[in-house]
Amino acid sequence: KQEVTQIPAALSVPEGENLVLNCSFTDSAIYNLQWFRQDPGKGLTSLLLIQSSQREQTSGRLNASLDKSSGRSTLYIAASQPGDSATYLCAVGGYQKVTFGTGTKLQVIP
Amino acid sequence: DTGVSQDPRHKITKRGQNVTFRCDPISEHNRLYWYRQTLGQGPEFLTYFQNEAQLEKSRLLSDRFSAERPKGSFSTLEIQRTEQGDSAMYLCASSPSGRPYEQYFGPGTRLTVT
Repeated sequence: KQEVTQIPAALSVPEGENLVLNCSFTDSAIYNLQWFRQDPGKGLTSLLLIQSSQREQTSGRLNASLDKSSGRSTLYIAASQPGDSATYLCAVGGYQKVTFGTGTKLQVIP
Repeated sequence: DTGVSQDPRHKITKRGQNVTFRCDPISEHNRLYWYRQTLGQGPEFLTYFQNEAQLEKSRLLSDRFSAERPKGSFSTLEIQRTEQGDSAMYLCASSPSGRPYEQYFGPGTRLTVT
């Protein structure tokens, strides 16, 4: 059974700082890994999707990496802004199921 | 294509009432999934359909929950005799034929049971 862990559970940083969110998974037989953003009381917004054959994906100030062999992914956010404050979820795609982590709650302080 | 849609976006109900949610997948996606997310947790798998057939149900899906996907298009999730513990975000996703690992999520329905 796939288990996904996200560390830290919560993070508070001053505006402008670069930061890294971590995701680890127990079963390396994955098809993809996706990072989502979730604002309070809202649904999921897909940020980046990394296929199992890829090592990283970039979108604007976001960069996600994937190391299947070690069961790890990181989400790097450059020059953080208050608008980045949200919960970030890592989701590991198996053949038929997506397994989510419990998320990292990020607060960017102006 | 406008993506996966869900209706309603927010539902408030009193304990003991029945509620029904609807999910419209991306057209031509043959698989449809339901997830539940409680406060402070990541979404958890509930059930999925391939076309109109419900192929798997999680043990989280108690007897009070029923899901259907008539004609293999939209899906409904009904909760009977709601309890306060049913308060959660209910998320729907769909995936294209041959690529079940490529799931596209809807905006979710937030259920509050008072």
